[in-house]
Amino acid sequence: QVQLQESGPGLVKPSQTLSLICAVSGDSRSSGPYYWSWIRQPAGKGLEWIGHIFTSGTTYYSPSLKSRVTISVDTSKSHFSLNLTSVTAADTAVYYCARLLRTGDVFDIWGQGTMVTVSS
Amino acid sequence: QSALTQPASVSGSPGQSITISCTGTTNDIGTYNLVSWYQHHPGKAPQVIIYEGTQRPSGVSHRFSGSKSGNTASLTISGLQPEDEAGYHCCSYAGSNTWVFGGGTKLTVL
Repeated sequence: QVQLQESGPGLVKPSQTLSLICAVSGDSRSSGPYYWSWIRQPAGKGLEWIGHIFTSGTTYYSPSLKSRVTISVDTSKSHFSLNLTSVTAADTAVYYCARLLRTGDVFDIWGQGTMVTVSS
Repeated sequence: QSALTQPASVSGSPGQSITISCTGTTNDIGTYNLVSWYQHHPGKAPQVIIYEGTQRPSGVSHRFSGSKSGNTASLTISGLQPEDEAGYHCCSYAGSNTWVFGGGTKLTVL
């Protein structure tokens, strides 16, 4: 069974870069085509899709975040990463990594989430 | 790309049925049969309960069902149980390899 675990700083200063890693354990290869995704949830608000990456390295980003987001994958180390530049208080949220399974187009596996606060 | 619209909260008594709506546009729900629903207990990872609008993953209770009409998708939970109290989020494919979520609905079991 595939498991995901987010890690990274819990506090980031305004204007700096938020960097998170999602560690992947277990074998995904038998599940069909999939993307590795990042999703966030500000306090009291709904989920927001940030973007995702295919194992080939092809990426897709939310139009509203595209100018500040980079998602990368390191298959040799079994993890993928999120970089969000020029952060503000509006980027304070719980950040989740998830697997988007193309069979069904569903986010079928999620990490527990990690809280990131943007504050000086 | 705007967030899908969900009611902020719904409530029901044990044994009753409730329905949560999720309204989008012709750019997402109205065009694609790719709506999924997620149950989210505080502090835990969200869990998919419906995908492709009406399909239930293995292990998900038959009390959960999904439907769609026009630009609106709906999640119905029948036979409410205390453990159903959670947040519920809808999600739809929005074309060009992008996805959009709803604002989330908090379900209270009275």
